[in-house]
Amino acid sequence: QVKLVESGGGEVQPGRSLTLSCAASGFTFSTYAMQWVRQAPGKGLEWVAVIRNDGTKKYHTDSVRGRFNVFRDDSKNTVWLQMNSLTAEDTGTYYCARGIWFGDSWGEGTQVTVSS
Amino acid sequence: QSVLTQSPSVSGAPGQTVTISCTGTSSNLGAGHDAHWYQHLPGTAPKLLIYGYTIRPSGVPDRFSGSKSGTSASLAITGLQAEDEADYYCQSYDSSLSGWVFGGGTRLTVL
Repeated sequence: QVKLVESGGGEVQPGRSLTLSCAASGFTFSTYAMQWVRQAPGKGLEWVAVIRNDGTKKYHTDSVRGRFNVFRDDSKNTVWLQMNSLTAEDTGTYYCARGIWFGDSWGEGTQVTVSS
Repeated sequence: QSVLTQSPSVSGAPGQTVTISCTGTSSNLGAGHDAHWYQHLPGTAPKLLIYGYTIRPSGVPDRFSGSKSGTSASLAITGLQAEDEADYYCQSYDSSLSGWVFGGGTRLTVL
């Protein structure tokens, strides 16, 4: 069955970097776009980034563009989210999801806390 | 401020029916992109309930149904059960962002 497992979260100081991973299994990873979505404490879901199935196109939401970068390695069935210059507003649970128009499978999420 | 507009809360007694609405704009639902719905308990994986406005994935009970009206979408839950208590989000694709947009979420309370 389809499985997505996020990892790499933790507590980090403002201005530092963190890279999240999403390991996929149970499907042909290379044929799917992959998304990152986050949820800040007490807030709703917010789309963060997408990388298309061929990896040639990627998009990031305005608030993270220039600081975050999504990339993938189909040989490892993994997508990453590199996060730089982190701020308190980046605190939250980060989810990866499969799909281009909607997410038909999601991971359980990994928690990121940005605090001094 | 979310791009898609949802009412923040709704409630109903067991067995009743509730409806959650979602209003979009000209760059998402108004541009012809579909609405999709998720059920979410914080800290767990969001679950896809409806895609393409009205289609239920395999395994989703038929108590959940979606509809479309102009640039809005609705999710109806009939025969409310205690286990339905969760947050519900609509989502679409936005042409101006080249990415997903979500509604602010609607918290369903089963009385």
